[in-house]
Amino acid sequence: AQSVAQPEDQVNVAEGNPLTVKCTYSVSGNPYLFWYVQYPNRGLQFLLKYITGDNLVKGSYGFEAEFNKSQTSFHLKKPSALVSDSALYFCAVRPRTSGTYKYIFGTGTRLKVLA
Amino acid sequence: AAGVIQSPRHLIKEKRETATLKCYPIPRHDTVYWYQQGPGQDPQFLISFYEKMQSDKGSIPDRFSAQQFSDYHSELNMSSLELGDSALYFCASSLGSDTQYFGPGTRLTVL
Repeated sequence: AQSVAQPEDQVNVAEGNPLTVKCTYSVSGNPYLFWYVQYPNRGLQFLLKYITGDNLVKGSYGFEAEFNKSQTSFHLKKPSALVSDSALYFCAVRPRTSGTYKYIFGTGTRLKVLA
Repeated sequence: AAGVIQSPRHLIKEKRETATLKCYPIPRHDTVYWYQQGPGQDPQFLISFYEKMQSDKGSIPDRFSAQQFSDYHSELNMSSLELGDSALYFCASSLGSDTQYFGPGTRLTVL
């Protein structure tokens, strides 16, 4: 079965320190990869995506993600965390299967940036 | 920039009642998706429409139905509501297979 794993329910990091939120996937082929952020009582906001090309993808608000094909991972990173980055982060995968565009989401990782 | 609009934002219903959720996609987007997010859970894909035709189906109960109209807005109809249907329902839209952009969600509470 196709799945997306976010192994950490919560990540705590001090403000100004680098952060990493992990994502691995088990999806056949070379899927499209996405990161979304969800603030309380808000919808999912698109951060970045990997389609093809460079393994390091840059996105909104200073976030970037590193694609590793051999490890089937797509970890979200930011060099210097802000308190305002505290939110729920979802990794999502879209299989490259014709006729379907649905996303498969990970279980989410709550990021807490401490002042 | 215009975003996905969902209405209502909050809805409270009794068991066995019906509910209709509406979604207005970003202008010029032709594909609409519905997801259900239970408390503390990840969003689960329900159904999608491309150019007014159902394009994919996920874990949508038979009690639910949806359609996309000629103006591309979509409605999710939910009947015989159960307590377990209480969740946040997201609509997303895209231009074809491009990135999905999500609305703010409708929080449905079934009492």
